[in-house]
Amino acid sequence: DARVTQTPRHKVTEMGQEVTMRCQPILGHNTVFWYRQTMMQGLELLAYFRNRAPLDDSGMPKDRFSAEMPDATLATLKIQPSEPRDSAVYFCASGLVLDGQPMGLDTEAFFGQGTRLTVV
Amino acid sequence: KNQVEQSPQSLIILEGKNCTLQCNYTVSPFSNLRWYKQDTGRGPVSLTIMTFSENTKSNGRYTATLDADTKQSSLHITASQLSDSASYICVVSASGGYNKLIFGAGTRLAVHP
Repeated sequence: DARVTQTPRHKVTEMGQEVTMRCQPILGHNTVFWYRQTMMQGLELLAYFRNRAPLDDSGMPKDRFSAEMPDATLATLKIQPSEPRDSAVYFCASGLVLDGQPMGLDTEAFFGQGTRLTVV
Repeated sequence: KNQVEQSPQSLIILEGKNCTLQCNYTVSPFSNLRWYKQDTGRGPVSLTIMTFSENTKSNGRYTATLDADTKQSSLHITASQLSDSASYICVVSASGGYNKLIFGAGTRLAVHP
């Protein structure tokens, strides 16, 4: 059963600590998204990778957030130092997109279960 | 600016009743529009996806419509069930160069017995 796997599911940490969230995209997918969801803002795009290369990370606070794909089976989102306003659910999604093509009928963004982060 | 707006923000209906959720967008150039269902504590799951040339798509009791001229979409739920209680999110994909999904804020639906 192919699915996007995110770890941890829940994380509580103190302000100032480093947080690392991990995502295993569906095998064979070449596109990975990181989203943040809060009650106030809904879903916000943080970063977007195609074939492990970052294409858009304009939604991320650069001073504290970083996103990487060390290999095709792992995407990471780090926050250092964390702040209470970072408390949210962080979703990873993956899909298969042909080069130069938009996400169309034959592509789909599959979401993980999310990591619920609480910074106290 | 690419935007997706949904209404109503929240909705309460009785089990068995029908309801319609609205989505207006200003995304250009338009690629496709999706409706996602998000249960509490879960990631969004796709219900329907429509391209420019399609104006209706059904998935069981869910029927989505798209008017590309007025840039409006609706999601109609027929004979609602308690399990339909969730947030319904309209997502528009922009094309050109690279692409990304633009999310609406969602409509929170509660179906009561």
